[in-house]
Amino acid sequence: DTAVSQTPKYLVTQMGNDKSIKCEQNLGHDTMYWYKQDSKKFLKIMFSYNNKELIINETVPNRFSPKSPDKAHLNLHINSLELGDSAVYFCASSPRTGPTLYEQYFGPGTRLTVT
Amino acid sequence: ILNVEQSPQSLHVQEGDSTNFTCSFPSSNFYALHWYRWETAKSPEALFVMTLNGDEKKKGRISATLNTKEGYSYLYIKGSQPEDSATYLCAWLDYNQGGKLIFGQGTELSVKP
Repeated sequence: DTAVSQTPKYLVTQMGNDKSIKCEQNLGHDTMYWYKQDSKKFLKIMFSYNNKELIINETVPNRFSPKSPDKAHLNLHINSLELGDSAVYFCASSPRTGPTLYEQYFGPGTRLTVT
Repeated sequence: ILNVEQSPQSLHVQEGDSTNFTCSFPSSNFYALHWYRWETAKSPEALFVMTLNGDEKKKGRISATLNTKEGYSYLYIKGSQPEDSATYLCAWLDYNQGGKLIFGQGTELSVKP
């Protein structure tokens, strides 16, 4: 059983398109995250949701909109894709938020390529 | 700017060597430090979550220590094996920002048979 799954694994699209990446966790966790792995391979937090409520919203262009229909799902929608959006996006979950004393469980990543 | 720095950036050792690397983080407002192991083409997997100054944690041949007053943590691997080859990430918890993890750039370890 996959604990944190993401679809699709690879996404190739053209500039200006709108696309979504889906994330699901079957761990019963309350908190979910989106990270972007930048060109220097740093993992940087984009968003965090706790029980469907947005709690972290980093300085991310508003073309990126997360949506959490329930606490097991956190999707990322990206409008008007730009070349600079090409990256690997990771979803993660943890039992709860607050002082994050709990390890995070990562999905396999989605490699987005914008041409 | 809150920086988490890891050194060295990469390390090449022979099978059987013991090795260690460093994570430096802000020493003020400390809540937790995470270590993750990230194999190529896989997802990061948690090794340790450390919270107390002087903490030592161990998992098999891998152990970690924590000094929150001076802002560093060491990760040790005893008797490295080829399967230990991976990138090792540390992440510092910035609780003032809603509990977000700030990751270092990682130490890439390669163990040759």
